[in-house]
This record gives sequence, structure tokens and C-alpha cells, in this order.
Amino acid sequence: DSGVTQTPKHLITATGQRVTLRCSPRSGDLSVYWYQQSLDQGLQFLIQYYNGEERAKGNILERFSAQQFPDLHSELNLSSLELGDSALYFCASTWGTGNGYTFGSGTRLTVV
Amino acid sequence: AQSVTQPDIHITVSEGASLELRCNYSYGATPYLFWYVQSPGQGLQLLLKYFSGDTLVQGIKGFEAEFKRSQSSFNLRKPSVHWSDAAEYFCAVGDASGGSYIPTFGRGTSLIVHP
Repeated sequence: DSGVTQTPKHLITATGQRVTLRCSPRSGDLSVYWYQQSLDQGLQFLIQYYNGEERAKGNILERFSAQQFPDLHSELNLSSLELGDSALYFCASTWGTGNGYTFGSGTRLTVV
Repeated sequence: AQSVTQPDIHITVSEGASLELRCNYSYGATPYLFWYVQSPGQGLQLLLKYFSGDTLVQGIKGFEAEFKRSQSSFNLRKPSVHWSDAAEYFCAVGDASGGSYIPTFGRGTSLIVHP
């Protein structure tokens, strides 16, 4: 157990639907990062939050959004889902700059 | 922009043999360098990291990596591979400029271990 908790582990949904992925960072970590992992794109950075505020954005689609709550857990919202959104979505956390991430075990999203 | 290249998509070794996984990066300043391992169905686990100082870095599970600035490389090594080392290995490079630290990951190298 890495200390980063992601739920659900698996999610199957239809095109056009909306889903919410949840992440609880390791205790003491203020930064949360979301990544998408797919066979064709590899591991792509989506967005970072630090202590409740958005810190950096990567290749995140406008259909996707995220937030970090006062208790530091984070949610990634994916809407108007397309088949191409099927992927593994990872959350990672860290407590300081350059300390390396602690990853959760991911949520496997399948859009049918 | 920083970039990371892992030239080998797959590497096959026999159990007990030595291992070297290659990683090359493109970055102007001194980067932060990392190696992660991902077992099937799992998240990525940090093996080791380099920020500064001794260019030979020791990590978990018997792995080490050497930073070579002249070659822009950060290759991962292990003297004797175990069957349980079969996994996907990712090199990552990042910086802390602007107060936001976002590493870029390579595409990964899949390690296959033969008995």
C-alpha cells in the first residue's frame, strides 16, 4: 500500500457519460497530480493541485476538470466521454519539490 | 521543453544476468532524474532519484543508476536480475522552475526475465 488511495479501481461507462475519479493523497502530502496512461500516448500529465489550488496544467481536455478539497483529497471529473478516453488514470502525491511521486494504483476507465 | 527517451521498448534477460536500461534526456539545466517501476495492474513505484552530488545513485531492490552529464544519460543497472524484476520501467526528468515541479516520463521499457 503506497498510501495514495484511488477509487474506484475499475469503471465501465458509456460514451457521452460523466464520471468522477477520486484520490486521497498520502498523509502529509499537499500536492496531487493526475496522469493518464494509455498505450499510444504513454504517461501524460493532466493537472496538478497544491493545497487546494491549481498549480499546473498539462494535456488536459476541456471536457476534463479537477479540484482539490480542504481535506486534500482530489477528484477528476471526465465528461462527454469518448471511446478514446479509455485509459488508466493515476493520481500521485508528493510533499515537496523534486521528492518523487507516490502513485496510487490507478482507476481503469473503459468507455463503451 | 524537456524530453526523455528510453530507446529500448523491450529488454529480455536471463535470471541472474546483469541489466542495464537506457535513458537519455534533453534538458538545459541540471535536471531532477527518476526511475520508476510499474508491475502489471499496479501504480508506479519510485526506485531511485538524482538531484545533485554523487552521480551514482543507489535505489531500492538492488538497483542503481549513474548520471552522466556529458552523455545526457541516466541509465539504470542491476548486477543480477530476479524473476520478480519483470515489469515496466520508466525514466522521468523534471525541474522545479516556476515553483511547479512536473516531471516528463519516458515511454517505458518492458523487462522480460527468462528463467
